[in-house]
Amino acid sequence: EVHLVESGGALVEPGGSLTVSCQVSGLKLKNAWMTWVRQAPGKGPEWIGRIMGDDYEEPREYAQNVRGRFTISRDDLKNILYLEMTSLRPEDSAVYYCVHPSRGGSVATSGLGYWGQGTPVTVSS
Amino acid sequence: DIQVTQSPSSLSASVGDRVTITCQISQNIYNYLNWYRQRQGRAPELLIFVASSLEDGVSPRFSGSVSGTSFTLTISSLQPEDVATYYCQQAYTAPFTFGPGTRLDLK
Repeated sequence: EVHLVESGGALVEPGGSLTVSCQVSGLKLKNAWMTWVRQAPGKGPEWIGRIMGDDYEEPREYAQNVRGRFTISRDDLKNILYLEMTSLRPEDSAVYYCVHPSRGGSVATSGLGYWGQGTPVTVSS
Repeated sequence: DIQVTQSPSSLSASVGDRVTITCQISQNIYNYLNWYRQRQGRAPELLIFVASSLEDGVSPRFSGSVSGTSFTLTISSLQPEDVATYYCQQAYTAPFTFGPGTRLDLK
């Protein structure tokens, strides 16, 4: 069974940087479609980006409000997914979830069935 | 970006009631719509994908339907464990927007 465990959330000052991680088990990360979703306190989930298989010309997609500041990457040997965040703003404060589609499909064909427990990021001075 | 709205924003119902939540999408998304339940303090959990397909392990009291760009989640007989916030998500094109949520509690 797929198991996702996020870590690395912290308190960061505005303008700072942080990388959160997601240890993946139960599937090979290489070529797996993985998504990051965040949820600010009292708000609904917000899709922020995904990484697809290497056969895609542009394997990474981002929401407009994080594009250029956030980068999704992975270490296929360690089976770890990363979200590198720079130029952090107070509005980036949220719980960050690592997510994988059910049945090895995509968000469109299968929905997001596997979620980690989330890691909290607070951007404040 | 595709706009997603939900109604109602909150509702109260009794155990055993039939509950309906609606999600309105700003354009045709060809049934690429998912529904999630989020209990307090937990991550969202997938209930329905592609508008009407039931996720493995989810109770059959949950069902989804679609009419044009209006999608509906129905709980046929409300149970105490269904107290949660429900979100729809358009899955047609990035960014895969979630709705603002419907908070459901017991009367």
